[in-house]
Amino acid sequence: DAGITQSPRHKVTETGTPVTLRCHQTENHRYMYWYRQDPGHGLRLIHYSYGVKDTDKGEVSDGYSVSRSKTEDFLLTLESATSSQTSVYFCAIRKNTEAFFGQGTRLTVV
Amino acid sequence: QQQVKQSPQSLIVQKGGISIINCAYENTAFDYFPWYQQFPGKGPALLIAIRPDVSEKKEGRFTISFNKSAKQFSLHIMDSQPGDSATYFCAASGTSNTGKLIFGQGTTLQVKP
Repeated sequence: DAGITQSPRHKVTETGTPVTLRCHQTENHRYMYWYRQDPGHGLRLIHYSYGVKDTDKGEVSDGYSVSRSKTEDFLLTLESATSSQTSVYFCAIRKNTEAFFGQGTRLTVV
Repeated sequence: QQQVKQSPQSLIVQKGGISIINCAYENTAFDYFPWYQQFPGKGPALLIAIRPDVSEKKEGRFTISFNKSAKQFSLHIMDSQPGDSATYFCAASGTSNTGKLIFGQGTTLQVKP
């Protein structure tokens, strides 16, 4: 599993509340990614990081922000959750040329 | 804009049969084409990957066929087994070296015993 831990694994939150998802890695990989998975869309990149404090947007970044203050942690924040952000969120790391994914966080916004 | 299109959406195959999943891409700058396998409740796991300098890559029962001129690539699962029942995603990545992946929509494979 490339030492990736996502937390929480499941979360239900109310519309308009802020939510932070955490991705923790144990192998000091430079690149980390946040994807969301929705039926009919596969996985889509939200944000990624190429080092501490170095982040960039992906294809579906609106409504999301990220932070990486330490190599091992990559945080995804929904500033004000909406029902359209109900999804399964996956963190990934890049090891050599391959991407390894965490177990996912199922987020439901009610 | 869907840069990687995957078909079929779902597939049912008898045990021992061949499963074929197809993907087409638009961006000629893509140079890395992995396939991922995902079981329910788990994250995607890399199955096999190919670069455009070869037309075919085989690993066990899994083969990728790549057609650069047609901008298409496919996954063939030979002697399909019930344990292969999962969702499969094709993906593509470009030359920016950021490792960003563009995924297809996914194919749910069911192998019947």
